[in-house]
Amino acid sequence: NAGVTQTPKFRILKIGQSMTLQCTQDMNHNYMYWYRQDPGMGLKLIYYSVGAGITDKGEVPNGYNVSRSTTEDFPLRLELAAPSQTSVYFCASSYSIRYNEQFFGPGTRLTVL
Amino acid sequence: AQTVTQSQPEMSVQEAETVTLSCTYDTSESDYYLFWYKQPPSRQMILVIRQEAYKQQNATENRFSVNFQKAAKSFSLKISDSQLGDAAMYFCAYIGGNEKLTFGTGTRLTIIP
Repeated sequence: NAGVTQTPKFRILKIGQSMTLQCTQDMNHNYMYWYRQDPGMGLKLIYYSVGAGITDKGEVPNGYNVSRSTTEDFPLRLELAAPSQTSVYFCASSYSIRYNEQFFGPGTRLTVL
Repeated sequence: AQTVTQSQPEMSVQEAETVTLSCTYDTSESDYYLFWYKQPPSRQMILVIRQEAYKQQNATENRFSVNFQKAAKSFSLKISDSQLGDAAMYFCAYIGGNEKLTFGTGTRLTIIP
């Protein structure tokens, strides 16, 4: 199993550009999550999904959109990139939403200039 | 809202010695889960240990153990026989009824050879 994979690993965007961060898991987990990690901080939840077709906002959803058309994929969309979105983005998945550990992808480092 | 506090931004320990990382949390709930995640320089988030609040017995995983004090809302991580591979950022995390994982700001652990 590859676990949770994310692409790209690194990206530099100009202000106002758009992009999609891809996330795929092969563990048949229903629950998937997007986090951002700013320097010196813990992870903050952006959006999460409890299954295909169902998504909900986390702590810091502004400026982002998600969709979940399949169990495996959970892309994160940035529509109008801003410098405040410079961060490392992590995708995660889990079997259940509380007890089971969340498996994390390797992260995407995004810089907005 | 739940908060997780890690008051030690950095810690260091001699190889083969024991170190304890502190974590406190604020909640009014009685049913929740606590986690310690490790983030090495590779950025990959890895679950170290998990504790269920309704279990009085402290969780242990090989060289890693916790001291869970529910009344004091404290959840410290003890690493015994520290190894060079233990060098990483360690994050304490909480999940309760809102089903969203809340992270502390992390403790950077350095192992001195």
